[in-house]
Amino acid sequence: DTGVSQNPRHKITKRGQNVTFRCDPISEHNRLYWYRQTLGQGPEFLTYFQNEAQLEKSRLLSDRFSAERPKGSFSTLEIQRTEQGDSAMYLCASSLEGAGAQHFGDGTRLSIL
Amino acid sequence: AQRVTQPEKLLSVFKGAPVELKCNYSYSGSPELFWYVQYSRQRLQLLLRHISRESIKGFTADLNKGETSFHLKKPFAQEEDSAMYYCALSGSYGQNFVFGPGTRLSVLP
Repeated sequence: DTGVSQNPRHKITKRGQNVTFRCDPISEHNRLYWYRQTLGQGPEFLTYFQNEAQLEKSRLLSDRFSAERPKGSFSTLEIQRTEQGDSAMYLCASSLEGAGAQHFGDGTRLSIL
Repeated sequence: AQRVTQPEKLLSVFKGAPVELKCNYSYSGSPELFWYVQYSRQRLQLLLRHISRESIKGFTADLNKGETSFHLKKPFAQEEDSAMYYCALSGSYGQNFVFGPGTRLSVLP
């Protein structure tokens, strides 16, 4: 197992476009988390899943942000109508249990032109 | 509301000196506390969690509920300890996860 995998590593897009990121967690992990990290800040929690159920989504940054984990395995994070302020690193993590160690991916860096 | 503060953005110490990275938190309830570390060009990874009471790479952290602190300590810093350190908390079931802003530790030769 190579750990948590995120694709793409870097996404450059024009303002107003939609983008989708993918996260493949460690296979036996049932928890999956999404974070955003901007320069000089710690990761900012966005949402998380227990298997296919999205347990927390009130901290998604706006209604332009949505996440899915349809079969309880990989997850996607979509941002619609991107804005300049969406430029950031988007991190995914997975864990085996609720308050267990989170294993992070390398992240997807989003750049909005 | 839950919050994690790390007062130092940058901490520089000489090799062999003791190091303490400060972390204070606010949480209504009994949180789980963690320290995560990110070495240069590597992924964010768990260093230690208070519930396991382990010493990892010579680091320890004691949860002080009275002072709502979870400071990270190491008696003798090594150059390979240079990294970004994040304090984090969650609820007992992994909910309400919050990271602090991080402290960059630089260990000088």
